[in-house]
Amino acid sequence: GAVVSQHPSWVICKSGTSVKIECRSLDFQATTMFWYRQFPKQSLMLMATSNEGSKATYEQGVEKDKFLINHASLTLSTLTVTSAHPEDSSFYICSARPSGGPHTDTQYFGPGTRLTVL
Amino acid sequence: LAKTTQPISMDSYEGQEVNITCSHNNIATNDYITWYQQFPSQGPRFIIQGYKTKVTNEVASLFIPADRKSSTLSLPRVSLSDTAVYYCLVGPVSGAGSYQLTFGKGTKLSVIP
Repeated sequence: GAVVSQHPSWVICKSGTSVKIECRSLDFQATTMFWYRQFPKQSLMLMATSNEGSKATYEQGVEKDKFLINHASLTLSTLTVTSAHPEDSSFYICSARPSGGPHTDTQYFGPGTRLTVL
Repeated sequence: LAKTTQPISMDSYEGQEVNITCSHNNIATNDYITWYQQFPSQGPRFIIQGYKTKVTNEVASLFIPADRKSSTLSLPRVSLSDTAVYYCLVGPVSGAGSYQLTFGKGTKLSVIP
C-alpha cells in the first residue's frame, strides 16, 4: 500500500521548452502533495506544497511562475517546468500524504523524475 | 522546524547491527521523528516514525530517550542492499507547518561484504 508513481521517470528537453511531470497516489487519496528537487550528491529541497483544489504554497526562492503546480484531484498533482534551462536539470521528487486511514502523518515518496535540459 | 545533526557516513560489515544516531536538541513538543532511506536516483522510502520511547517494525527500531533530544535508528543484521543514505527528520504532524519535511544531509551507510 501507499504507492506513489511519477511520470516520466526521466526526460531530456531543449532549453526554452516546458516539461510536465505527473505525480499520482495509486492506492490512496492525498489532499496534500509535496514537490522536492535534489541536485547530485545533495539532499532533497522542498519546492512547494500542493493542496487539492487550491493554489500551491512555494518555498522561498522558488519561482511560482516557472514551476507551475496543479493539484486537480485527490490522486494527481502535476509540476510543469516552464521555459526550462540547463540549471533546471535536477532530480524532481514528489510525495503524498494520505488524507485518511492510519498513516496521515506520513509522507510517501514517488520514484523521482530525472530532468536534463540541453 | 527542528534542525537535525547526523554523522555524514558510516561503514558496517554485513550481518552486523547498525545504529545511526541523530541529534535534535531543539525538538518541539508536537514534533515527531521520522527516518527515511534513499537509494541513488530513487525517492526516499519511509522506514519508521516515533514520538518517544521505542518503536519497532519489521525493518528497524527507533530508540528515543526521555528528553527526545536525540534518536537512534537501529538496523538489525544489515546486508549489502542496506547501503543507502538515511535521513532523520523532525517536524509536527498536525497544526501549522505540519507535514513539511526538511531534509538534512543524511548519513551515507556503506555495508561491506
